[in-house]
Amino acid sequence: GQNIDQPTEMTATEGAIVQINCTYQTSGFNGLFWYQQHAGEAPTFLSYNVLDGLEEKGRFSSFLSRSKGYSYLLLKELQMKDSASYLCAVWGGLTGGGNKLTFGTGTQLKVEL
Amino acid sequence: GAVVSQHPSRVICKSGTSVKIECRSLDFQATTMFWYRQFPKQSLMLMATSNEGSKATYEQGVEKDKFLINHASLTLSTLTVTSAHPEDSSFYICSARDMKGTSGYSYEQYFGPGTRLTVT
Repeated sequence: GQNIDQPTEMTATEGAIVQINCTYQTSGFNGLFWYQQHAGEAPTFLSYNVLDGLEEKGRFSSFLSRSKGYSYLLLKELQMKDSASYLCAVWGGLTGGGNKLTFGTGTQLKVEL
Repeated sequence: GAVVSQHPSRVICKSGTSVKIECRSLDFQATTMFWYRQFPKQSLMLMATSNEGSKATYEQGVEKDKFLINHASLTLSTLTVTSAHPEDSSFYICSARDMKGTSGYSYEQYFGPGTRLTVT
């Protein structure tokens, strides 16, 4: 089965740094995605990790530890427009995981002044 | 970049009627498309995987006779909600996987803008 956990809500201050954690237990694993979703809109791709370590892309970084079933998304220099839901999703790969994405419940981030 | 469109973006229908939602990959071919449903303040729940030229694979608990999926070409998949009821009101999102590389496979999914269905 697939189980993906994220905090439900987080609040942070503009200009600060926030880390959103995601833990997973899945029957197959071939990579972990982070998506950003604003209310009423479709998710937009942020990052993809398949190997252990940190991937940095501008203000956003994503980390993966496969042995621990753990990932985090790090947002730096927060801006008001970063207020959104952040979805962690595991791709099961061609076998075992069913070749599909399984999403976590999402973390609603609120950025305040 | 890869673009996926959905039509309509918003639809209101009466209970008992059927609604068809289209999902198109505009600048790439997609052998596989996915249909998700999202209720307010909840995450995306996969309903079915649609493969071009074959029957869709439905997730557990999703009624295949109620949610008809047709993937007639490499750029178009449709979801028809038959005999819709108020509890079917939701945000329906499709995604498409690009055919890339020598293996004909790419890891990234591109999401459509979603369709807001309201059943009265």
